[in-house]
Amino acid sequence: NAGVMQNPRHLVRRRGQEARLRCSPMKGHSHVYWYRQLPEEGLKFMVYLQKENIIDESGMPKERFSAEFPKEGPSILRIQQVVRGDSAAYFCASSPRTRPIIYNEQFFGPGTRLTVL
Amino acid sequence: EDKVVQSPLSLVVHEGDTVTLNCSYEVTNFRSLLWYKQEKKAPTFLFMLTSSGIEKKSGRLSSILDKKELFSILNITATQTGDSAVYLCARHDYKLSFGAGTTVTVRA
Repeated sequence: NAGVMQNPRHLVRRRGQEARLRCSPMKGHSHVYWYRQLPEEGLKFMVYLQKENIIDESGMPKERFSAEFPKEGPSILRIQQVVRGDSAAYFCASSPRTRPIIYNEQFFGPGTRLTVL
Repeated sequence: EDKVVQSPLSLVVHEGDTVTLNCSYEVTNFRSLLWYKQEKKAPTFLFMLTSSGIEKKSGRLSSILDKKELFSILNITATQTGDSAVYLCARHDYKLSFGAGTTVTVRA
């Protein structure tokens, strides 16, 4: 059973370009979370999605960032017009749709390290 | 923002030592607390704690939660160099609120 998969693992973009980060949850998991880890900082929640629904995007910057989890395919975190401050590691986590969600472990992918030049 | 505070921020020990990591949180009506180990890659799940006073063990690692005093500890006994990592605790309210982590360095 493959774990959470993210690609690309490393992504370099120039200021003003777009970055697309992909996350495939573990098999059988229908809940996806995105977290960001800025250099020398802790992991911060960005957004929580279920298939075709954004449940909580309270941690997403108001502009340039968007996320989706379509019926088919991976979850996508999209950053438009990237700036140097977007350089960070972006982690995706997934959890199963069993028990109350607050009692489900979240399993993390390897992350995408975004560097903005 | 609900605060999760870990201490110490870092520590250096020698192989065979025992370490105790602390995690305190401010919200009283949370549901569970999670511990992760991060070694320059994805955080690896260690424990989920939901009930106060019940110790969870996995090999040389153990953890316990005190919901009255709002803290948890993670113990590592007989440390090995492979235990060197950042240990994260997170309050779980469907989204995880992480502490800053404790960096543990185990020297041979």
